[in-house]
Amino acid sequence: SYELTQPPSVSVSPGQTASITCSGDKLGDKYAFWYQQKPGQSPVLVIYQDTKRPSGIPERFSGSNSGNTATLTIGGTQAMDEADYYCQAWDSSTGVFGGGTKLTVL
Amino acid sequence: QVQLQESGPGLVKPSETLSLTCTVSGGSISSYYWSWIRQPPGKGLEWIGYIFYSGSTNYNPSLKSRVTISVDTSKNQFSLKLRSVTAADTAVYYCASWVGGDSGYDYWGQGTLVTVSS
Repeated sequence: SYELTQPPSVSVSPGQTASITCSGDKLGDKYAFWYQQKPGQSPVLVIYQDTKRPSGIPERFSGSNSGNTATLTIGGTQAMDEADYYCQAWDSSTGVFGGGTKLTVL
Repeated sequence: QVQLQESGPGLVKPSETLSLTCTVSGGSISSYYWSWIRQPPGKGLEWIGYIFYSGSTNYNPSLKSRVTISVDTSKNQFSLKLRSVTAADTAVYYCASWVGGDSGYDYWGQGTLVTVSS
């Protein structure tokens, strides 16, 4: 079965750029999606189809996807961005999530 | 705006069947694909499966033998049944929607915790 791998944790200082990676076999041939989940809340879609932002998502969130790696980038990270982030892809109409990355802003 | 609300028992005994329902409001159940996704306490998201209003389904291969997702268009609801549960099935269960094809999950329910315990 298809697997997506994320680093368990990433730390960033306020105002700096955070990058969270998601790796999978030929992931660049698929679309990557990113979700933000804060404690006690449901996930929120922040990036779809590799690079697109849903309405209401700040411009500091961006994405890329090439080769075997998709990357979520948060520019000018704010304290409110501290959360768990999950990548997701479709493999033969089956949904697959990465294990999640805890972003700490300190 | 589509709103989703999960409902069902919060406690299920081992070996029994977990049953949850998701009620859709603010949109037609014929317009989206409908999924169940779960999250064990302190762990990551696990995709369970989806259904389209026509009844077509697709399930996570690791759960396929125990899962059934069904839809009731007259009630604007879809449901999850997970058979022969164990403690490993303890999780927050979310219902979510996507428009199909290469899209992501844009609407989520608040989630409901189901504990498997005797």
